[in-house]
Amino acid sequence: EDQVTQSPEALRLQEGESSSLNCSYTVSGLRGLFWYRQDPGKGPEFLFTLYSAGEEKEKERLKATLTKKESFLHITAPKPEDSATYLCAVQAKPNTGNQFYFGTGTSLTVIP
Amino acid sequence: DADVTQTPRNRITKTGKRIMLECSQTKGHDRMYWYRQDPGLGLQLIYYSFDVKDINKGEISDGYSVSRQAQAKFSLSLESAIPNQTALYFCATSDPRSAVLGLNPRAFQPQHFGDGTRLSIL
Repeated sequence: EDQVTQSPEALRLQEGESSSLNCSYTVSGLRGLFWYRQDPGKGPEFLFTLYSAGEEKEKERLKATLTKKESFLHITAPKPEDSATYLCAVQAKPNTGNQFYFGTGTSLTVIP
Repeated sequence: DADVTQTPRNRITKTGKRIMLECSQTKGHDRMYWYRQDPGLGLQLIYYSFDVKDINKGEISDGYSVSRQAQAKFSLSLESAIPNQTALYFCATSDPRSAVLGLNPRAFQPQHFGDGTRLSIL
């Protein structure tokens, strides 16, 4: 069964304390993996797309990486404004057609 | 002004009522999507439309219907609302021209979301 799992569910960091969020997936035929940021009361905001193992993308303090089984979102020296829920999504192609799955997210809190 | 606008932002209604949630976009994207978000379950795809004449069911389409009135408008209807349809609903759009060259043309591209409709069914 296709599945996307994010860990941890919640993460509290001190400002400047680097860490990583994990997105592991078991899908048949990965077409793309997406990272989003969601603030309270808002819709998800697109961050990165990764299409193949070994690919990396960076934006400010965030860096996303992809292997054949998982993706990491590395946060370097986070600031309080990085506090949000980070969502991972994958597109897979099972025999019946394309499907798109979201993980349940990691809630990140950065303490000043 | 928001690129993807959802109306209403909040709605409280009763079981059995017919409800329509509306989504309009100014991004000029062909592709539009409807999701629901529940605590602990993440976002689930209800319906998606690759253009005005191409509408597809997602993983949880039962109890819902959609109408793509124009490139810029995509509505979600609950014909007879029930309490377990209480959730946060999001509309999203994507532009197929942003697809990686050579990728399956029906592949999903990065999606741009509205700010959601909070629906409560009593």
